Amino acid sequence: DGGITQSPKYLFRKEGQNVTLSCEQNLNHDAMYWYRQDPGQGLRLIYYSQIVNDFQKGDIAEGYSVSREKKESFPLTVTSAQKNPTAFYLCASSSPGGSQHFGDGTRLSIL
Amino acid sequence: KQEVTQIPAALSVPEGENLVLNCSFTDSAIYNLQWFRQDPGKGLTSLLLIQSSQREQTSGRLNASLDKSSGRSTLYIAASQPGDSATYLCAVGGYSGAGSYQLTFGKGTKLSVIP
Repeated sequence: DGGITQSPKYLFRKEGQNVTLSCEQNLNHDAMYWYRQDPGQGLRLIYYSQIVNDFQKGDIAEGYSVSREKKESFPLTVTSAQKNPTAFYLCASSSPGGSQHFGDGTRLSIL
Repeated sequence: KQEVTQIPAALSVPEGENLVLNCSFTDSAIYNLQWFRQDPGKGLTSLLLIQSSQREQTSGRLNASLDKSSGRSTLYIAASQPGDSATYLCAVGGYSGAGSYQLTFGKGTKLSVIP
């Protein structure tokens, strides 16, 4: 079945540690997105990529990094510079200007 | 900068009632508008996508309308069921100055349908 797979479902980060969230899609979509969701704040855009080997910062990119080496994959690294990383992270993909399809999310917590 | 507001933040209705969820946005220069459903601890499921040239879209018991000039969209749910209980998110799609397509989300309306 076509869709978006995020892993892991739950992730714990120690202080000073970088962690990487995986996002894979088999929908043949060019565009991929990473959002952060906090209680009562809705979704905020971290990074997005319109095409392979290209990505742009969203509204809250500080403390995060991404890569887009393959069309199917858009991993997000939460670096130690992100001082408040506890949140629900959602990955999405779309065709240009089309409906965005979401994964089931990764919940990141601090140890 | 686009801002999206959803009112009310939470809504509780008895089963079988028809209901309307509201979404407003500040910049009418939109490309499309999308309604999503989110169950607790889950990702978002797309319900309806309305292009800027359209006035409404329907899927089963759901009907979404768009009035670009007034910056408003509504999601109408007919004959509500307990399984409709979820958070409903409105997202406005548009192109940034750099030419990239992005969604701006509202904070959602949490719906509870009481059996």
